[in-house]
Amino acid sequence: DARVTQTPRHKVTEMGQEVTMRCQPILGHNTVFWYRQTMMQGLELLAYFRNRAPLDDSGMPKDRFSAEMPDATLATLKIQPSEPRDSAVYFCASGLSTYTDTQYFGPGTRLTVL
Amino acid sequence: EDQVTQSPEALRLQEGESSSLNCSYTVSGLRGLFWYRQDPGKGPEFLFTLYSAGEEKEKERLKATLTKKESFLHITAPKPEDSATYLCAVQARGSYKLIFGSGTRLLVRP
Repeated sequence: DARVTQTPRHKVTEMGQEVTMRCQPILGHNTVFWYRQTMMQGLELLAYFRNRAPLDDSGMPKDRFSAEMPDATLATLKIQPSEPRDSAVYFCASGLSTYTDTQYFGPGTRLTVL
Repeated sequence: EDQVTQSPEALRLQEGESSSLNCSYTVSGLRGLFWYRQDPGKGPEFLFTLYSAGEEKEKERLKATLTKKESFLHITAPKPEDSATYLCAVQARGSYKLIFGSGTRLLVRP
């Protein structure tokens, strides 16, 4: 049963600390998306990769967020320095850039910044 | 601007009481409309993709339909395990982005 995996599942950190979230997309998928979910804003797209190339990161605060795909099996989202307003659930999703374009979501990382 | 509105925000049903969830959308050329189910503490789980008006898809007690302006998720004889938040999203032609609605929280009581 192919699934997107994310680590850690929960992270509590102090304001100013660096946070790194990791995602393993479904094997064979060539698109990766990072989303943030909050009660107020719902699901917001932060970044989009296709074939490991970053195509859109317009949803991310550029001064503190960065997203990379070191290889086809790993995507990372970093926040440095973290702030309390970054507290949210961060989801990774993967898919195939075909006509269907269905995105399959991971279980999420719940981030709390104190 | 592409937009998705879901109603109602919350819905309480008795087990076996059928109902429908609504997803109204405006998009500059629809590529696909997606339904997801999200359980507390979990990621959205893919249910259906609809591509053109008149299309219908079914899965167990769920049936999704699509018109040019809205989609309905019909739940027939729901069970408590159908309790979840149901999310609707649209993708415009030529775009990779999913525009999500705010969801409908469904509670099915035994």
